[in-house]
Amino acid sequence: RKEVEQDPGPFNVPEGATVAFNCTYSNSASQSFFWYRQDCRKEPKLLMSVYSSGNEDGRFTAQLNRASQYISLLIRDSKLSDSATYLCVLKMDTGRRALTFGSGTRLQVQP
Amino acid sequence: DGGITQSPKYLFRKEGQNVTLSCEQNLNHDAMYWYRQDPGQGLRLIYYSQIVNDFQKGDIAEGYSVSREKKESFPLTVTSAQKNPTAFYLCASSWRSPTSGANVLTFGAGSRLTVL
Repeated sequence: RKEVEQDPGPFNVPEGATVAFNCTYSNSASQSFFWYRQDCRKEPKLLMSVYSSGNEDGRFTAQLNRASQYISLLIRDSKLSDSATYLCVLKMDTGRRALTFGSGTRLQVQP
Repeated sequence: DGGITQSPKYLFRKEGQNVTLSCEQNLNHDAMYWYRQDPGQGLRLIYYSQIVNDFQKGDIAEGYSVSREKKESFPLTVTSAQKNPTAFYLCASSWRSPTSGANVLTFGAGSRLTVL
């Protein structure tokens, strides 16, 4: 089983729609969780950290469910500029400080 | 402005040749990383360094080598021993978030290596 699993998509949604992605992880000792955004042929950039109580940043809401071992990202009022690949990222509790990346979910917002 | 600079952006190599990818940061970050990304896949860790003159193998270190002689620099050499070197290579450095305490990565723009 992969350490981090994401639906590759693509999720094709119209402008203004609400869309949600999930990401499941296999290591229950994972400590920290993030969503990164990657535009086509560009480097990933941090979108937001994911906190246990859930957190919101404008149109974006991230949640963590430790019992079921998944995190989610909700995007409200989708914009064309939201089209990108969204990477689920976590830090394992293995003493290694590097992060583990999922393969990403591609979002395409259409006019 | 602070950031991470990778060069070259595009590189073509013949089979059997070694090639070195440059990564320089002026963010004063202690930790630096090299990841590889293949189409439709997530990033895989090649090597990382938490401090000058020290580095650790990641998940796919075979066929690669690194050095960390200066805090600002973490070059990656792709050797002829790497069986499938064509990929997008990303260098990153990290800082610790004061809010979450977690390490947050900042990436360079990447180097795209193609082996002919």
